Amino acid sequence: AQSVTQPDIHITVSEGASLELRCNYSYGATPYLFWYVQSPGQGLQLLLKYFSGDTLVQGIKGFEAEFKRSQSSFNLRKPSVHWSDAAEYFCAVGARSGSARQLTFGSGTQLTVLP
Amino acid sequence: EPEVTQTPSHQVTQMGQEVILRCVPISNHLYFYWYRQILGQKVEFLVSFYNNEISEKSEIFDDQFSVERPDGSNFTLKIRSTKLEDSAMYFCASRVASTSTDTQYFGPGTRLTVL
Repeated sequence: AQSVTQPDIHITVSEGASLELRCNYSYGATPYLFWYVQSPGQGLQLLLKYFSGDTLVQGIKGFEAEFKRSQSSFNLRKPSVHWSDAAEYFCAVGARSGSARQLTFGSGTQLTVLP
Repeated sequence: EPEVTQTPSHQVTQMGQEVILRCVPISNHLYFYWYRQILGQKVEFLVSFYNNEISEKSEIFDDQFSVERPDGSNFTLKIRSTKLEDSAMYFCASRVASTSTDTQYFGPGTRLTVL
């Protein structure tokens, strides 16, 4: 069965600092990988996704993620964090078999940004 | 930009009562989903729906749950007899389903509180 681990429950960074949120997955084949962000009172917004090809994926709001098959990782990065990036971030893996393509999520990482 | 909408934003009910959570997926989308997130836990897949029938469901989605697309726009989740452990945030999602790699778009969620 597929699974996703986000080892950091809570991360605090200063505004302008760089950010890396970790994600490790377990899946029997090459996975579909996603990062979603959830602001308070909002739904889950897609930041970026990886299906195949270039392992460095660019997303919205200046985020990027790198798929590393050897490490089973899909870490999210941003070179300079803004106060508006404070939110909860979820990594997810999508099923490749079956047509539903349902997502399996990690536990999430809560990001706090200090002024 | 089209959005998935959900009503109500917060529902409070007594244990044993029936609840219906409503979602309006994006209009040209064909695949619909329900996920839930118990406070402090992961977002979990419940069910997917395509062509007026369930395509996949998780072990959480037992006989107490049902889904329906009563008209051309709404997608509902019914919990027949709510339990305390049904208290959670319920997210609806939809995707176009034109390719196997298209994105799921999530609604803002309905917070269900069972007393």
